[in-house]
Amino acid sequence: GQQLNQSPQSMFIQEGEDVSMNCTSSSIFNTWLWYKQEPGEGPVLLIALYKAGELTSNGRLTAQFGITRKDSFLNISASIPSDVGIYFCAGPVQGAQKLVFGQGTRLTINP
Amino acid sequence: DGGITQSPKYLFRKEGQNVTLSCEQNLNHDAMYWYRQDPGQGLRLIYYSQIVNDFQKGDIAEGYSVSREKKESFPLTVTSAQKNPTAFYLCASSITPGNEQFFGPGTRLTVL
Repeated sequence: GQQLNQSPQSMFIQEGEDVSMNCTSSSIFNTWLWYKQEPGEGPVLLIALYKAGELTSNGRLTAQFGITRKDSFLNISASIPSDVGIYFCAGPVQGAQKLVFGQGTRLTINP
Repeated sequence: DGGITQSPKYLFRKEGQNVTLSCEQNLNHDAMYWYRQDPGQGLRLIYYSQIVNDFQKGDIAEGYSVSREKKESFPLTVTSAQKNPTAFYLCASSITPGNEQFFGPGTRLTVL
């Protein structure tokens, strides 16, 4: 079935640094979603991408829908302590009314 | 406020007992989903429902059961047949099946 591979699995950075993470698949996706989950909470939708090549920003977050439709990227600029959490990518499974999620990138920030 | 509610936030049960987790949404969404998350892991789909009175098994349905009698509600029962029920359970909904999902706050179930 369709799978999403996220990298890196974890990141340890200093406050103020920029962050880049990506999500790849061997299958084509028509939508890419990025979620953030804080400890003990449900994931929150950050950005939704619907078109190949699309670049969308949400504050300090920027996400891109890869031209091949097989990948997506999320960047966070000037990280702050509240950016800590797990970031998941997701996309709709072809022929099924559900989403597939990546395994997540865990972000830790040293103040 | 519109949203998804899950109750309770924390739940403790003795081994061998069935337990039902609540999920309610007032977003008028057609589709609802249940996921399980283990520590340090991703999300695994248990069951999902595209419409009232209809539901499908996800990747790890064994030991769980659901019902969808009302559009707003999608309760999950963790049965005694579930070998390792202690986990964080997340409910989600989407306006139509396959679209972006919105999650509730989760219920942490501990079986003693």
